[in-house]
Amino acid sequence: EAQVTQNPRYLITVTGKKLTVTCSQNMNHEYMSWYRQDPGLGLRQIYYSMNVEVTDKGDVPEGYKVSRKEKRNFPLILESPSPNQTSLYFCASSLYPPHGQGAFSNQPQHFGDGTRLSIL
Amino acid sequence: AQSVAQPEDQVNVAEGNPLTVKCTYSVSGNPYLFWYVQYPNRGLQFLLKYITGDNLVKGSYGFEAEFNKSQTSFHLKKPSALVSDSALYFCAVRDDTGRRALTFGSGTRLQVQP
Repeated sequence: EAQVTQNPRYLITVTGKKLTVTCSQNMNHEYMSWYRQDPGLGLRQIYYSMNVEVTDKGDVPEGYKVSRKEKRNFPLILESPSPNQTSLYFCASSLYPPHGQGAFSNQPQHFGDGTRLSIL
Repeated sequence: AQSVAQPEDQVNVAEGNPLTVKCTYSVSGNPYLFWYVQYPNRGLQFLLKYITGDNLVKGSYGFEAEFNKSQTSFHLKKPSALVSDSALYFCAVRDDTGRRALTFGSGTRLQVQP
């Protein structure tokens, strides 16, 4: 079954304790992305990756890191979490990056089921 | 710059009645427009998209959306609502001139009453 898998689904932790949220897709997608969802703000993009070893900042990258060593995995790293990073996080992937023009650049994104992080 | 607005936090409709969820956008060039739906404890699921061509786009689960360039709108519609349509709906836009990825709206919660 084609899917995007995030782990953990829920995490409560304390300020300053490094954590990693894993994301894996089995669709051989080139493009992967991390979003955070906050009430009244919709989804905001944190980081994205166009392909292996190619990552770039989204709209709200501060306090986050990512890596793309393999095509299927795109972990989100919070080196020193703070309470303002309490949020619902989604990983997404698509066959091609949603940049530029044309049909290939507008493939639907597939989303994981989300990770709810609480930073105390 | 690109932006999208969903003016209603919540829409309530009775089962069997038509529903509309509103979305307006702002882009520099031509828009690429999307609707996604989110059910509780799940990620977003793609419903439909407008890239070019016919202004009326048909998507999954009987939903459709109408692109109106003069009003810069892309409202989501369904002729007859089901209780199972109750969910959070997101409109998203992308500008074809830039390198930006999707910008999502703040979401509209659709509540369909039996």
